[in-house]
Amino acid sequence: EAQVTQNPRYLITVTGKKLTVTCSQNMNHEYMSWYRQDPGLGLRQIYYSMNVEVTDKGDVPEGYKVSRKEKRNFPLILESPSPNQTSLYFCASSRITSSPLHFGNGTRLTVT
Amino acid sequence: AQKITQTQPGMFVQEKEAVTLDCTYDTSDPSYGLFWYKQPSSGEMIFLIYQGSYDQQNATEGRYSLNFQKARKSANLVISASQLGDSAMYFCAMREGLLTGGGNKLTFGTGTQLKVEL
Repeated sequence: EAQVTQNPRYLITVTGKKLTVTCSQNMNHEYMSWYRQDPGLGLRQIYYSMNVEVTDKGDVPEGYKVSRKEKRNFPLILESPSPNQTSLYFCASSRITSSPLHFGNGTRLTVT
Repeated sequence: AQKITQTQPGMFVQEKEAVTLDCTYDTSDPSYGLFWYKQPSSGEMIFLIYQGSYDQQNATEGRYSLNFQKARKSANLVISASQLGDSAMYFCAMREGLLTGGGNKLTFGTGTQLKVEL
């Protein structure tokens, strides 16, 4: 089954404790991206990647890192999480840039 | 300026009626794509329909159609014969620079919460 898999689905952590949210897709998509969703703000892009070793900032990259060492994986790293990073996070991928994004099921992160 | 504007935070519709969800966009790029996604209360994002800026006809997918008015920069989603399962948040999104090697950024609106009533 074609899918984007994010883990974990739910995560509660404390300020400053490094964490990684994993994202993997099995569709051989070149393009992958991370979004955060906050009430009243819609989804905002954090980082995106056009291919292996090619990443770039989206609208809200501060406090986040990503890497793309393999085509299928695109982890999101929070080196020192803060409470303002409490949000619902989505990973997404697509084949070509005019194709619709396929989304993971989301990761609900709470930073206390 | 907002790239994507959805002016209806919430909408109600009776079951079996049609409903239009508004979306206006702002871009100077001639090549772009417009998408609609549905997010039910379970949280997943479901792709509904796509319209390219050069498409001559309005997109349709089953009960979903897109009323694309390029000059007005609007891309309204029309859901015909609403069902209870259509109750969800709906997001309009735009991808720019499709012919210039861009398309890296998908900008979302703030969403419209649709409630279908009996």
